[in-house]
Amino acid sequence: SQTIHQWPATLVQPVGSPLSLECTVEGTSNPNLYWYRQAAGRGLQLLFYSVGIGQISSEVPQNLSASRPQDRQFILSSKKLLLSDSGFYLCAWSGGQLSGNTIYFGEGSWLTVV
Amino acid sequence: EDQVTQSPEALRLQEGESSSLNCSYTVSGLRGLFWYRQDPGKGPEFLFTLYSAGEEKEKERLKATLTKKESFLHITAPKPEDSATYLCAVSGGANSKLTFGKGITLSVRP
Repeated sequence: SQTIHQWPATLVQPVGSPLSLECTVEGTSNPNLYWYRQAAGRGLQLLFYSVGIGQISSEVPQNLSASRPQDRQFILSSKKLLLSDSGFYLCAWSGGQLSGNTIYFGEGSWLTVV
Repeated sequence: EDQVTQSPEALRLQEGESSSLNCSYTVSGLRGLFWYRQDPGKGPEFLFTLYSAGEEKEKERLKATLTKKESFLHITAPKPEDSATYLCAVSGGANSKLTFGKGITLSVRP
């Protein structure tokens, strides 16, 4: 069966520091990968998605970037964090349209920028 | 642009008191409507996918239904462990991205 791992689960970072959140998927090949951010009262916002290695699409202009160095690895990064980057970040995967487009989420990472 | 509106924002039920959660949507070419359950501090857990109007799916005390404009998540005789936020999302057009509603926070009192 497929599983998704995301880490770290919680982190507190000072303003201006770098960020790296990692996500890996097991039990499937060539998944679509996603990074979402969830803010209180605002729902889930899609930040990045990737349909293959090195293929990244950004949904909103922001202080973050994403990379996919391997088929089942997705990384969310920032060179300099802002206070507004605080939030709950979720990595997710799907098998694409042939699998019904269902998206499965990781456990999330809580980021607090201080 | 795809849109999803969930109502009410919050719902408080007594244990055993059945009710329904609403998800209204507009999408160009529905490819799927999805329901998720999210517990505090956790990632959303997949519940159901519905693909066409008239389709229904059930899981324990939950039943999801779909029309051309909305979906309902019916909760029959809820228990306190059903307390969570329930998210609705749609996928439409030529891509696989989902558009989410803001969620409905359900509290079930014993």
